[in-house]
Amino acid sequence: QVQLVQSGAEVKKPGASVKVSCKASGYTFTSYDINWVRQATGQGLEWMGWMNPNSGNTGYAQKFQGRVTMTRNTSISTAYMELSSLRSEDTAVYYCARGRPAPWVRGDDYGMDVWGQGTTVTVSS
Amino acid sequence: DIVMTQTPLSSPVTLGQPASISCRSSQSLVHSDGNTYLSWLQQRPGQPPRLLIYKISNRFSGVPDRFSGSGAGTDFTLKISRVEAEDVGVYYCMQATQFPPTFGQGTKVEIK
Repeated sequence: QVQLVQSGAEVKKPGASVKVSCKASGYTFTSYDINWVRQATGQGLEWMGWMNPNSGNTGYAQKFQGRVTMTRNTSISTAYMELSSLRSEDTAVYYCARGRPAPWVRGDDYGMDVWGQGTTVTVSS
Repeated sequence: DIVMTQTPLSSPVTLGQPASISCRSSQSLVHSDGNTYLSWLQQRPGQPPRLLIYKISNRFSGVPDRFSGSGAGTDFTLKISRVEAEDVGVYYCMQATQFPPTFGQGTKVEIK
């Protein structure tokens, strides 16, 4: 079945960087965008950016420009989200979500249809 | 950015009774390709979000038919015809018509 499996929880100090992975299975990794969304404890969902795994093209929310980098390794069907200059406000659960299909994919555009289980990132001194 | 406003923010419901959530966008969500990229997501306690409805009214695979979506332009609604215990959670509307995608604040559905 289609699945996104994320890396485990991280604890980081302020100023450090964190890199979260998202491994796809059950579909062709390069045929769908990957989005990253975060959620602080008790708060709503916040979109961070997207990546096209086929081309490597990315688009980031203005809030994270200069601090976030989204990459991929197509040989292992894995997407990565790296966030730098961490501060306490970055403490949150980070999710990857499958997004828009490539033009050659038959079928509908469901939007963010499959989500990873989430990765808790705690930023604390 | 398009602002998504949900009402109510909390909805206590009796089991077996209907529930309705409204979502209003600050701009029309009709894309130049003719589609309206308005989705509804459910987040049960301690779980990741789950897609329920896409493009206003299309139920995603495996979603019970007690969930339905409607609306157009800037006003959208999610209805649960008969609330069951497993429906407890927070519901989000989300637009992907315009960059960047944005979410509503969430509506908490709980049992009375």
